[in-house]
Amino acid sequence: DAGVTQSPTHLIKTRGQQVTLRCSPKSGHDTVSWYQQALGQGPQFIFQYYEEEERQRGNFPDRFSGHQFPNYSSELNVNALLLGDSALYLCASSSGDKNTEAFFGQGTRLTVV
Amino acid sequence: EDQVTQSPEALRLQEGESSSLNCSYTVSGLRGLFWYRQDPGKGPEFLFTLYSAGEEKEKERLKATLTKKESFLHITAPKPEDSATYLCAVQAASGTYKYIFGTGTRLKVLA
Repeated sequence: DAGVTQSPTHLIKTRGQQVTLRCSPKSGHDTVSWYQQALGQGPQFIFQYYEEEERQRGNFPDRFSGHQFPNYSSELNVNALLLGDSALYLCASSSGDKNTEAFFGQGTRLTVV
Repeated sequence: EDQVTQSPEALRLQEGESSSLNCSYTVSGLRGLFWYRQDPGKGPEFLFTLYSAGEEKEKERLKATLTKKESFLHITAPKPEDSATYLCAVQAASGTYKYIFGTGTRLKVLA
């Protein structure tokens, strides 16, 4: 079982650019959630995708958008990057129809310069 | 507003010195409380899920307990490899899917 995989592991972007992060969920999971974790803070919920639709969204601006594909993998897109978007972006997968815990990937470290 | 507070922020223990980490929460109905371990620069690693007050779970040197207002992560005879940040998260029962995390407790176990 490969677990949750994210790519890339590290990324450096310039302010104003756009970025796409990718996530493949754990085998058997159909739900993907994205979190942003600033240094020294707990993860903050961005949004969750289930059945290829955004099921819930946290307090993040519209610059943050996502997508889920038929194979349950997901992308997180961030437009017009700001310096404050620098963080560890975490993908978590779970099973949508059961009360199961979320398993996290290793994260993508995004640095905006 | 749903909220999670963890204490202490940081903890240094000698190898073999047992202690407890605290997670206090306020949530409009609890669906689940989760403990994770996070190593620097890595994603959180799942440890435990607790669903109702009085529930306890154990794994090696770790034991998690739950009351109606808080959870404790007890670490018995810790080893240096237990050094990490321990995160607590809650999920509310009222039609929400997000996890609300605390800021974590940074644990350092000295040999």
